[in-house]
Amino acid sequence: EPEVTQTPSHQVTQMGQEVILRCVPISNHLYFYWYRQILGQKVEFLVSFYNNEISEKSEIFDDQFSVERPDGSNFTLKIRSTKLEDSAMYFCASSGDRDETQYFGPGTRLLVL
Amino acid sequence: EDQVTQSPEALRLQEGESSSLNCSYTVSGLRGLFWYRQDPGKGPEFLFTLYSAGEEKEKERLKATLTKKESFLHITAPKPEDSATYLCAVRLSWGKLQFGAGTQVVVTP
Repeated sequence: EPEVTQTPSHQVTQMGQEVILRCVPISNHLYFYWYRQILGQKVEFLVSFYNNEISEKSEIFDDQFSVERPDGSNFTLKIRSTKLEDSAMYFCASSGDRDETQYFGPGTRLLVL
Repeated sequence: EDQVTQSPEALRLQEGESSSLNCSYTVSGLRGLFWYRQDPGKGPEFLFTLYSAGEEKEKERLKATLTKKESFLHITAPKPEDSATYLCAVRLSWGKLQFGAGTQVVVTP
C-alpha cells in the first residue's frame, strides 16, 4: 500500500542552524502539507502546497520557513535559523485532490538545543 | 473562531467494554470531518471521513457518526490493540485541517 515517507526520523540541531526535513508523498498525489505537533499538544497546520506554489500557510509559517518540491518525488521543509521553540514532531501529508483524505507520514522528531 | 473540542481527554476501558468518544466543532463551512488514530511517536493514521449530518462509517470495531455540531467515534468490544490516541480534525478550507487535542484510549485485558 502506498505511503508517505519522511527522513530523517530524528534530527538534533543547535539553535540558529538550518535544517531540512524531507518527505516523499504518495506518488500520484498532487497536494502536499506540513503539520507539526509540539510534545503534548495538538497537531497544527503549517502549510499546503500545490502546483509548485504555497496554497495556504498558518501564522506559524513565518519567513524562517520555506517549502520546496525540488524534483518529482521529494517535498521539503526548510527552517532557516532554528529556535528552541521549533522543537516538535513534523509531519508531512499528501492528498490526491484538495477535497480528498490527507495521508500522513511517520514524522521527523526535531530537537533544537 | 473555528474550534474543535474532543472529550474525554482520556479513557480507560476494560477489554470488551464499549464506549464513545466525542468531537464537537464550531466551524463555518465544514468541508469534511476526519478521524485519525495516532500511536505514540507515530503519524496520524486515517480512519474515517464524514461529510454530512446523518452519515455513518464503520470499520471493524469502530463506527463514526456525524451530526451538525458533533461527531462520535464508537468503539465496540475494544481490544488492547485499540489503545491509541484518537484524533478528530475538520477541514476548514481546501486543504487545511484543524485538529482537536485527541482522546487517549487505554484498553486493558
